[in-house]
Amino acid sequence: DIQMTQSPSTLSASVGDRVTITCRASQSISSWLAWYQQKPGKAPKLLIYKASSLESGVPSRFSGSGSGTEFTLTISSLQPDDFATYYCQHHGTFGQGTKVEIK
Amino acid sequence: EVQLVESGGGLVKPGGSLRLSCAASGFTFSNAWMSWVRQAPGKGLEWVGRIKSKTDGGTTDYAAPVKGRFTISRDDSKNTLYLQMNSLKTEDTAVYYCTTVTLSDGIWSSSRFQHWGQGTLVTVSS
Repeated sequence: DIQMTQSPSTLSASVGDRVTITCRASQSISSWLAWYQQKPGKAPKLLIYKASSLESGVPSRFSGSGSGTEFTLTISSLQPDDFATYYCQHHGTFGQGTKVEIK
Repeated sequence: EVQLVESGGGLVKPGGSLRLSCAASGFTFSNAWMSWVRQAPGKGLEWVGRIKSKTDGGTTDYAAPVKGRFTISRDDSKNTLYLQMNSLKTEDTAVYYCTTVTLSDGIWSSSRFQHWGQGTLVTVSS
């Protein structure tokens, strides 16, 4: 089974910061990677699919890149609404999550 | 607007059974692949299983921890997805989410969980 590893587990940042989260696959997964945002008590929300395609309605400050085994989710200018936990996903496997908290 | 509404969660003793339902609207349910994803309290997301549309064979696939104990089914006439959970263990305690599965190029490896329900809490405890 392919393992997905995110880093860091927790990230402290301020409004306006550029934030990058990394997801590594244990073997090549081409560009088949999705990113989700989850806020406490809420269902996850799809942000990015196929590594870099922005889901409809998602703000353009979110972007994804990568292929093969290494992927990144970037928030270009962190907004108050972006403090949440982010997960990468391939097939039936999720990364362990990255919590973005207020510095 | 796509809506997924889960129900059926609750408290059950270890070894017991529970059936979750997910009522779907706002899209052509019969054409959709569907999944269940769960989240234990304070933990990350865990895929439980999926069911293909009947036109794609209607087959199911499960994560190792639930294989042989959980069964996913669908009733396209009622636009409803089900999760039958038997032989429940304390480690099955989680919020269970119903999701749509969207594919690129028709392959499972490309799958993403596009729409989610609000979740229903299952607590397995004596």
